[in-house]
Amino acid sequence: DVKVTQSSRYLVKRTGEKVFLECVQDMDHENMFWYRQDPGLGLRLIYFSYDVKMKEKGDIPEGYSVSREKKERFSLILESASTNQTSMYLCASREQGTYEAFFGQGTRLTVV
Amino acid sequence: AQTVTQSQPEMSVQEAETVTLSCTYDTSESDYYLFWYKQPPSRQMILVIRQEAYKQQNATENRFSVNFQKAAKSFSLKISDSQLGDAAMYFCAPSNTGTASKLTFGTGTRLQVTL
Repeated sequence: DVKVTQSSRYLVKRTGEKVFLECVQDMDHENMFWYRQDPGLGLRLIYFSYDVKMKEKGDIPEGYSVSREKKERFSLILESASTNQTSMYLCASREQGTYEAFFGQGTRLTVV
Repeated sequence: AQTVTQSQPEMSVQEAETVTLSCTYDTSESDYYLFWYKQPPSRQMILVIRQEAYKQQNATENRFSVNFQKAAKSFSLKISDSQLGDAAMYFCAPSNTGTASKLTFGTGTRLQVTL
């Protein structure tokens, strides 16, 4: 059974903290994605990666950075958390041949 | 860049009836894939159905089928014999081919299923 695992389901952080959201996949996929999901806005792409140490900005990269040191792990970093980054964060990895995406269970982040 | 429009924020259907969710998209590519994903209250996003743009035949998966109109850039999802378990958010997602291609989602349609 394919699996994408996000390190936390719920997270509460203080304004100004550096926050790490971790995502691990066990399918040897090259492509991985980070999205934030807000009501009425759908899923918005923050960053994606198509190989180890390779990353591309998505549609809303401001305030975020990413790290992909190993193929199976893709980390999202909030350099200095702000209240407007309170959201649901979803990680996905994508299969090369079918282009099907597999998702983690999501992390609901609250910044207070 | 791709844009995806799901014009129905919410839909409701009675159990056993049929409902159609609409999606239009914009892409400059000729080769791409189209997906519908379902997100139930558990938040776990799962694939519903997949369509290759080069195929003229509409994809079907049991009670789920699509109406793919490539020239119109339209990709609607039809759910037949709706069940209570179909209640969820549904997202349309076109995906270009290529290793470095993005995966873009629409804003979603919340489907309610009533008795």
